[in-house]
Amino acid sequence: AQKITQTQPGMFVQEKEAVTLDCTYDTSDQSYGLFWYKQPSSGEMIFLIYQGSYDEQNATEGRYSLNFQKARKSANLVISASQLGDSAMYFCAMREGPTQGAQKLVFGQGTRLTINP
Amino acid sequence: GAGVSQSPRYKVAKRGQDVALRCDPISGHVSLFWYQQALGQGPEFLTYFQNEAQLDKSGLPSDRFFAERPEGSVSTLKIQRTQQEDSAVYLCASSPRGTQYFGPGTRLLVL
Repeated sequence: AQKITQTQPGMFVQEKEAVTLDCTYDTSDQSYGLFWYKQPSSGEMIFLIYQGSYDEQNATEGRYSLNFQKARKSANLVISASQLGDSAMYFCAMREGPTQGAQKLVFGQGTRLTINP
Repeated sequence: GAGVSQSPRYKVAKRGQDVALRCDPISGHVSLFWYQQALGQGPEFLTYFQNEAQLDKSGLPSDRFFAERPEGSVSTLKIQRTQQEDSAVYLCASSPRGTQYFGPGTRLLVL
């Protein structure tokens, strides 16, 4: 069964607009972590933001915020004031189990975001 | 500080050839992971080290794949008798605890 689902293969957004990238997940664990990574055409996976399952507040990092809805098992990434440099593949990933266990990440299929000038 | 580095960045191999891919993690990071990313897909887990101990190798697709981290720092992923289906980007990540930081990957093309 797919553990991470990203339903948007591609998104096109005008520069300076906000964009929401969808991610739903499936787990029976109580302790887990959710990550978003950006992968530009150069290939490197760049860490953007992290949300722990017990975190009560939504995570924010600069222009990035994570809309965490635990009951719906969704962890959408919101990018405010998009820039041309935001054009890239975006991956949602989940770590099952506590942080101390250094568990592997399970990734979604990704969303290709294109920012138009 | 220096990030995760991988070498070579690109590797072309003839089918049946052995290849070795190197990963230099961020200094002091205890955990090291290898992932395989096929074209147009998300990365898939291969194996995990904590220091020099390989604690999880459940993602290695066959016994042709072997990974080591003998001194708990640099790691090498070796693929023996490469096949065309091994063509992918191989990503290495290191972690102090929690967040994984990735290297630029090695793009392997098997002809």
